Amino acid sequence: KNEVEQSPQNLTAQEGEFITINCSYSVGISALHWLQQHPGGGIVSLFMLSSGKKKHGRLIATINIQEKHSSLHITASHPRDSAVYICAVRASGSRLTFGEGTQLTVNP
Amino acid sequence: DTEVTQTPKHLVMGMTNKKSLKCEQHMGHRAMYWYKQKAKKPPELMFVYSYEKLSINESVPSRFSPECPNSSLLNLHLHALQPEDSALYLCASSQDPGTGALGYTFGSGTRLTVV
Repeated sequence: KNEVEQSPQNLTAQEGEFITINCSYSVGISALHWLQQHPGGGIVSLFMLSSGKKKHGRLIATINIQEKHSSLHITASHPRDSAVYICAVRASGSRLTFGEGTQLTVNP
Repeated sequence: DTEVTQTPKHLVMGMTNKKSLKCEQHMGHRAMYWYKQKAKKPPELMFVYSYEKLSINESVPSRFSPECPNSSLLNLHLHALQPEDSALYLCASSQDPGTGALGYTFGSGTRLTVV
């Protein structure tokens, strides 16, 4: 079992839909990161969370430390949101452990 | 400047070639990382430099040789690579090597093809 599990693996949505991607982890962490990667491209850091909730534009990330669970929400999804979304956790030091990613496709 | 810049963006090399990948950041970050990413897989950590010293080597074959000439630059020297080494090589940096606090910044990667 991976230390970081994401669901779903693949997600297809229509433009405008509300999207949720989930991340569960099995180790104690100091922080959790949500990352975005477009095809063939580098990685963009969306959020770093250690508690509670953060919002940036149409993106919202929440974390429940007790339940070892985080969610990434996208409101009013748009085709340009199509990308792979990766959850990564930092247990100690600066090493990240990555989930397998969620491929999101938003159709117009 | 809030970016990690990687060059080149694409590289094709033969198995007998020697080449280098370059990574640069001017954010004052003191930890820098090399990751390897195969298609449809998450990144795999290769090396971590902390205050310009190699702190983590994830049992990477010696045909990959990292170098950190100063706090802004990170190189990855490549020699006698195999076709299975073809991948996206990502550089990242973080301000605090001990905790990675204040987040990571990733570069856009070098797409390496070994022929």
